[in-house]
Amino acid sequence: AQTVTQSQPEMSVQEAETVTLSCTYDTSESNYYLFWYKQPPSRQMILVIRQEAYKQQNATENRFSVNFQKAAKSFSLKISDSQLGDTAMYFCAFMKRIQGAQKLVFGQGTRLTINP
Amino acid sequence: DTAVSQTPKYLVTQMGNDKSIKCEQNLGHDTMYWYKQDSKKFLKIMFSYNNKELIINETVPNRFSPKSPDKAHLNLHINSLELGDSAVYFCASSRTGTLGTQYFGPGTRLLVL
Repeated sequence: AQTVTQSQPEMSVQEAETVTLSCTYDTSESNYYLFWYKQPPSRQMILVIRQEAYKQQNATENRFSVNFQKAAKSFSLKISDSQLGDTAMYFCAFMKRIQGAQKLVFGQGTRLTINP
Repeated sequence: DTAVSQTPKYLVTQMGNDKSIKCEQNLGHDTMYWYKQDSKKFLKIMFSYNNKELIINETVPNRFSPKSPDKAHLNLHINSLELGDSAVYFCASSRTGTLGTQYFGPGTRLLVL
C-alpha cells in the first residue's frame, strides 16, 4: 500500500522568506503522480502544484516549485517570497489510477504560518 | 459558476439519525469522489464513482451508502449516525484520462451529538 509522510506538523516563517515543506512517499509503482494541495482556514482544498513521476524536470508554478527525487521517493515543496495568504495547511498527495478513477493518498499535512 | 458544490455546508444532528449530503459538479467530469477529513485534518478517500459505477470502495462501514443518479451528482447517505462520524466530508471530481487533478467541493462539516 502507498503511504505518504509529512514529517513537519507545523512550520512558521516571516513574510517574504522562502520555506520548504518535506514529503516522502512509499510505492512500488513506477508510473504515478504527486500533488501538493493547500487548505486555508476557509477549508477549501486548492491544488498548488502537480508532478508526473516519469518527468525528471521539477514542476514550477509561479512562487511554488518542487524538488522531486524519484529514487529517494521525496517530493518537497518550496514557496519563495512567502505571503500572508500562503498561511494554510499543506497536504502532499500520491495518486494512482484505478480503472477510471484516481485514488489520492494524502500525508498528514503541515500547518504553515506566514508571519507579518 | 461553482465547479463542485455540496449541500449542506454544516450539519448538526443527533446520534442514531439518518442524514444525506449532496454533491454536484458542473465541470463535465465523469468521476466523483467522497473523502473524510477527521479532527486531526487527516484526509482519506471513501468512495469513487466513474460514469455512475462504483470504482473505489475503501473500508467504510455499511452505514455509509453513496448514490450516483448521474455523472454530475454523487450523494452520500449515512444511516444510524455515530459520534465518530463527526468530520468534514469533501466531494471531488475529475476527468478520466487527465493528469489526475481532482477538484474539491467546499466540504460539509458534520457534527453528531
